[in-house]
Amino acid sequence: EIQMTQSPSTMSASVGERVTITCRASQGLSSWLAWYQQKPGKAPKLLIYHVSSLESGVPSRFSGSGSGTEFTLTISSLQPDDFATYFCQQYSSYPGTFGQGTKLEI
Amino acid sequence: QVQLVQSGAEVKKPGASVKVSCKASGYTFSSYAMYWVRQAPGQSLEWMGWIYTGNGNTVYSQKFQDRVTISRDTSATTVYMELSNLRSEDTAVYYCARGTYCGTSTCSFDFWGQGTLVTVSS
Repeated sequence: EIQMTQSPSTMSASVGERVTITCRASQGLSSWLAWYQQKPGKAPKLLIYHVSSLESGVPSRFSGSGSGTEFTLTISSLQPDDFATYFCQQYSSYPGTFGQGTKLEI
Repeated sequence: QVQLVQSGAEVKKPGASVKVSCKASGYTFSSYAMYWVRQAPGQSLEWMGWIYTGNGNTVYSQKFQDRVTISRDTSATTVYMELSNLRSEDTAVYYCARGTYCGTSTCSFDFWGQGTLVTVSS
């Protein structure tokens, strides 16, 4: 089973700031990595798939990059609606494991 | 529009079974796999397994292999997840999710159900 490790677990930021969240995999993933946003009491929402492809309807301030075992999610200019928890997920092999999450706080 | 609507919250005793449903609409049901993912309180997400709705083939996480059954009713465009021999550690929100952008083995998920809280308590 591929282990996914996100950092940081929690971070504080302000509206307008640029933030980066990192996800490291225990083995290479090729391009099979996604990022989700989750708000309290809600289902996760897909933001990025295949490392850097933006899901339809997701604002362009979200971007993904990386390769091999290290990947990043960047929010270029934080908006009030972006304060949430973010998860990475690998879908290279079974089971499709998730990172432990990064909670983004004001 | 694509919708996945799950059945309501359940309270079960240890050792019992639970069956959660997920009704799909707004797309061709048999063209997409359906996955089940759970989230214990305050925890991350855990991949449980999936069904290819076209032919009913299933793949389960090794962790749940002996206790989970995923099935579908194509006429009702509904997928089911049954988990048996429940224990307190199974208390979680259970989500169905549509598989879309896929890798060599599994997929990411573009649409999710609203979640079903299953509470296991004596």
